[in-house]
Amino acid sequence: DQQVKQNSPSLSVQEGRISILNCDYTNSMFDYFLWYKKYPAEGPTFLISISSIKDKNEDGRFTVFLNKSAKHLSLHIVPSQPGDSAVYFCAASGQGAQKLVFGQGTRLTINP
Amino acid sequence: NAGVTQTPKFQVLKTGQSMTLQCAQDMNHEYMSWYRQDPGMGLRLIHYSVGAGITDQGEVPNGYNVSRSTTEDFPLRLLSAAPSQTSVYFCASSYFGVGNTIYFGEGSWLTVV
Repeated sequence: DQQVKQNSPSLSVQEGRISILNCDYTNSMFDYFLWYKKYPAEGPTFLISISSIKDKNEDGRFTVFLNKSAKHLSLHIVPSQPGDSAVYFCAASGQGAQKLVFGQGTRLTINP
Repeated sequence: NAGVTQTPKFQVLKTGQSMTLQCAQDMNHEYMSWYRQDPGMGLRLIHYSVGAGITDQGEVPNGYNVSRSTTEDFPLRLLSAAPSQTSVYFCASSYFGVGNTIYFGEGSWLTVV
C-alpha cells in the first residue's frame, strides 16, 4: 500500500526551463510534506517543505504547491540548472509525528 | 561539523551472520531514525527513537533491533542477515517536533549473500 506515490520515475528538462515534479498521497491524516534531493552515494538532503495549512511555499528557485482536495503536491524548479540533476523524493508525515513516508523518487536530468 | 555519521559505508555479509550498523550525530538531536532504500520503493522507516532509552518500530522492523543508550548514538542490529536485507541504509536525526529539518547520513550499502 503505497501511501505516497511519485508516478514519474524520470524527467528530462532543458537548462533554464521549468522542472515540475509531482507527488500524490492517499492518507488524509498527512499534514506535513517535504521534498528531499539525493545525489548518488549521498544521503537525502532537505529541500523544501509545506504544512497542510498552506497551499504554496517558496524558497528561491524552488516552490512547492499543495492541493489538499486532490491529495497532490508538486515541486517547481525555475530556472532549472545542471546542478539540479538528482533524484527527488517526496515525503509526508502526519499527526504530529516525524515518521516520514517517502515516495519512490523521480530522477531529474537537466540537459545543457 | 560531522552531522550524521554512519559506519561502515559498505559491508558484505553471509546469510545468518549478525552485524551492527553504527550511527552517531553531534547535533544533540533528540530524534533519530533508520530507513532502508530499495529500488523503486523509496525510503522506508525501520525503527526510530525520540530520546535516550526510548525506541519504537517503523514500517519494516522485522529482523532488526535498535537501542538508544545515549543521545548521540543509535545503532541498528541485524540479528540473522537474510538476502532480503540487502539494501542501502540511512540514519537520520533532528530536533524533536514536526517542522524541524531531518538530516540524513551518507548511507551504508549492505549486501547479504
